[in-house]
Amino acid sequence: AQSVTQLGSHVSVSEGALVLLRCNYSSSVPPYLFWYVQYPNQGLQLLLKYTTGATLVKGINGFEAEFKKSETSFHLTKPSAHMSDAAEYFCAVSVNNAGGTSYGKLTFGQGTILTVHP
Amino acid sequence: DAGVIQSPRHEVTEMGQEVTLRCKPISGHDYLFWYRQTMMRGLELLIYFNNNVPIDDSGMPEDRFSAKMPNASFSTLKIQPSEPRDSAVYFCASRTSFGETQYFGPGTRLLVL
Repeated sequence: AQSVTQLGSHVSVSEGALVLLRCNYSSSVPPYLFWYVQYPNQGLQLLLKYTTGATLVKGINGFEAEFKKSETSFHLTKPSAHMSDAAEYFCAVSVNNAGGTSYGKLTFGQGTILTVHP
Repeated sequence: DAGVIQSPRHEVTEMGQEVTLRCKPISGHDYLFWYRQTMMRGLELLIYFNNNVPIDDSGMPEDRFSAKMPNASFSTLKIQPSEPRDSAVYFCASRTSFGETQYFGPGTRLLVL
């Protein structure tokens, strides 16, 4: 079974500072990895995903994440935080079946609330 | 594309009452997922369907919860009888067979008094 650990339930940064949200996963087979963002009173929106190929993936709103198999990590970064980035961020993992098609079940981390202060 | 549609957006009910949450997936998506989000337990997968057939309901908390998908464009999650500990935000999500991304609805915020 797969699992996801997000280090830090709350992260606070200044506007313009680097954003780093940490995610480590556990999976016995090559995973698909996702970052979702949830703004207050809204559903989850996909930021970016890793499936295969290039390990550095770029997403919306200037975010990117790097898949590091050796470290079982998929940390989310953004060079310069904006006030509008304040939200809760979820890392998630799903597992392929033998045929390469995702099982479709997402396992989510506990979420990290990002606060951006002026 | 209208996205995943959920209704109602908010529901307040009294303990013991039946609650029905509704979801319309994105047209052409053949996987549908129901999640529950609480402060204590985070996001939990309750059940998911493929081509209207329940595939995995291991996350359904107990017999008070049931879910159906009578056709490709509609699913319900029912709680009967409801209890205060069922208070949560319930999300529906859908995806295609060969796409990895799940698309989430806006959620139903349920409060059981």
